[in-house]
Amino acid sequence: GNSVTQMEGPVTLSEEAFLTINCTYTATGYPSLFWYVQYPGEGLQLLLKATKADDKGSNKGFEATYRKETTSFHLEKGSVQVSDSAVYFCALSVGRDDKIIFGKGTRLHILP
Amino acid sequence: GAVVSQHPSRVICKSGTSVKIECRSLDFQATTMFWYRQFPKQSLMLMATSNEGSKATYEQGVEKDKFLINHASLTLSTLTVTSAHPEDSSFYICSAVLRGGAGLGEQYFGPGTRLTVT
Repeated sequence: GNSVTQMEGPVTLSEEAFLTINCTYTATGYPSLFWYVQYPGEGLQLLLKATKADDKGSNKGFEATYRKETTSFHLEKGSVQVSDSAVYFCALSVGRDDKIIFGKGTRLHILP
Repeated sequence: GAVVSQHPSRVICKSGTSVKIECRSLDFQATTMFWYRQFPKQSLMLMATSNEGSKATYEQGVEKDKFLINHASLTLSTLTVTSAHPEDSSFYICSAVLRGGAGLGEQYFGPGTRLTVT
């Protein structure tokens, strides 16, 4: 079946540190891949996405590359800020029914 | 940008009563909306797909008689938790799909509703 596995948190980093949150997937067919972010007290927001192999999604300094050979979509940011503290969800969608399958989420704490 | 609202944001009800949660797409029409349930420190679990003008499609293991979904218009879907019990306490999140022509639509999420059943 289709599933997403992402590293468990919480992840605690100091401001300006380099961030990697690992995400791997299993899917039938050719999924689109997403990273969503949930800030405290808010709903999920799409952070970035990639729809085919080797695509790189980027937004707000975050990047993730769709790696078909390793079935991965790791999230990276070169220099995190306190305002990046949130829960990050890796997700995939296969087919045309718009259903999204989420990973369990990774809580990120950035210390000033 | 596309905005999805949910009402109420928090609700406390007594065991055995029913609770209705509304999900609205404020500035776009959505033929498809989704309802999720989020447990503490866990992922979002898709409960059902809400289709305007037709019956909802429920995921395996979700009781359709307990979680009634009505997609009354292109901007409104409601989730009614019937005969609620403490184990139904959770964070319920909806999303609405914005389609731009043919192809995969983009989901916009509501802020969620915290249900506590006492």
